[in-house]
Amino acid sequence: DIRMTQSPSSLSASVGDRVTITCRASQSISTYLNWYRQKPGKAPKLLIYAASSLQSGVPSGFSGSGSGTEFTLTISSLQPEDFATYYCQQSYTSPYTFGQGTKVEIK
Amino acid sequence: QVQLQQWGAGLLKPSETLSLTCAVYVDSLSGYYWTWIRQSPGRGLEWIGEIYHSGSTNYSPSLKSRVSISVDTSMNQFSLKLNSVTAADTATYYCARGAPLAAAGVYYYYAMDVWGQGTTVTVSS
Repeated sequence: DIRMTQSPSSLSASVGDRVTITCRASQSISTYLNWYRQKPGKAPKLLIYAASSLQSGVPSGFSGSGSGTEFTLTISSLQPEDFATYYCQQSYTSPYTFGQGTKVEIK
Repeated sequence: QVQLQQWGAGLLKPSETLSLTCAVYVDSLSGYYWTWIRQSPGRGLEWIGEIYHSGSTNYSPSLKSRVSISVDTSMNQFSLKLNSVTAADTATYYCARGAPLAAAGVYYYYAMDVWGQGTTVTVSS
């Protein structure tokens, strides 16, 4: 299985801050990388697919980059609804594994 | 707007069979991979498996011996069965739609773009 490792595991930030989360794959996955946001008690929501494509309806403050084994999710200006847990997921090969999550908390 | 609504038993005893169903509203099953994912504090998000509208399936190797996903196109539903459950199968289970969101040559970029509300399943004697 491809192992997905996110860093940091958690971070504290303020509304308006720029935040970057990193995801590393244990082998090259080209750009088959998705990002999700999950709020407590809710299902994950797709933010970014194919490493850098913004899902329909997702605010433009979210962006993704990377290829191969290293990827980043950037939130340009944190909004109150962005305090949540973020997951990366590889869609390169089955089983389609997820990172362990990065929890973004209010400073 | 596509919606997924899921249901099934939330409390099981060890060795019983977990059974969940997910109904797809306002869309056809065609062209998508219908997926089951689970989440627990110990394992995080774990992909269980998927079924194409044609009925072809793909399972996680770690669960393959115990899992079965089926589809009922007439009812616009798909289902998950997991045999011989143990406490390690305690989790929140989600159904989701795997959608081809962009072309990549002869392949597609897939992502889970619509999710069910989740069902908490507890395995306890």
